Amino acid sequence: DTGVSQNPRHKITKRGQNVTFRCDPISEHNRLYWYRQTLGQGPEFLTYFQNEAQLEKSRLLSDRFSAERPKGSFSTLEIQRTEQGDSAMYLCASSLQGDGPQHFGDGTRLSIL
Amino acid sequence: DQQVKQNSPSLSVQEGRISILNCDYTNSMFDYFLWYKKYPAEGPTFLISISSIKDKNEDGRFTVFLNKSAKHLSLHIVPSQPGDSAVYFCAGGSGGTSYGKLTFGQGTILTVHP
Repeated sequence: DTGVSQNPRHKITKRGQNVTFRCDPISEHNRLYWYRQTLGQGPEFLTYFQNEAQLEKSRLLSDRFSAERPKGSFSTLEIQRTEQGDSAMYLCASSLQGDGPQHFGDGTRLSIL
Repeated sequence: DQQVKQNSPSLSVQEGRISILNCDYTNSMFDYFLWYKKYPAEGPTFLISISSIKDKNEDGRFTVFLNKSAKHLSLHIVPSQPGDSAVYFCAGGSGGTSYGKLTFGQGTILTVHP
């Protein structure tokens, strides 16, 4: 069990640029979740996948955000035309449907200049 | 609409004593609750969970109590150790055993003094 892996750990970019984050879940986990956490707050749900199907999206996920999990393994989260308000920690978690809690990665911290 | 609230931003406890972290919720649809611990620069780590059909679950030094009528849950850590110093989040979820999306509280910073 190598845990949930997220890359990069830290991303610094200029406002208006596009960014993409990657998440590799625990290998046998079929569910994958994305959350966003800002300072002083708990993680907020963004979206989740069961295998390759995106089952739910939060209203927090504006049109500039898109997530994919093309082969039901790793997932990417892309933010287009980044804004200052996108600065946050982006957390990925995975779980096995019907068995056990979500296990989180260490996150990708996004800083918008 | 904050469905899960942790009203104490911080808690300070002496080593060996009991730590009690509290959490209130408003969403009656939650059918299970979890506690996570988070160290700086790391992701949240799962601690303990409880189904809404139970009122207590224990795992070693950690016990979670659920009071459904009051929509309140608490995490007891006995005895507290300096390594327990971290941010603690409670979270609620629905969907039975399928463990769907989680709704988190704002967190409580626990400091255990030697």
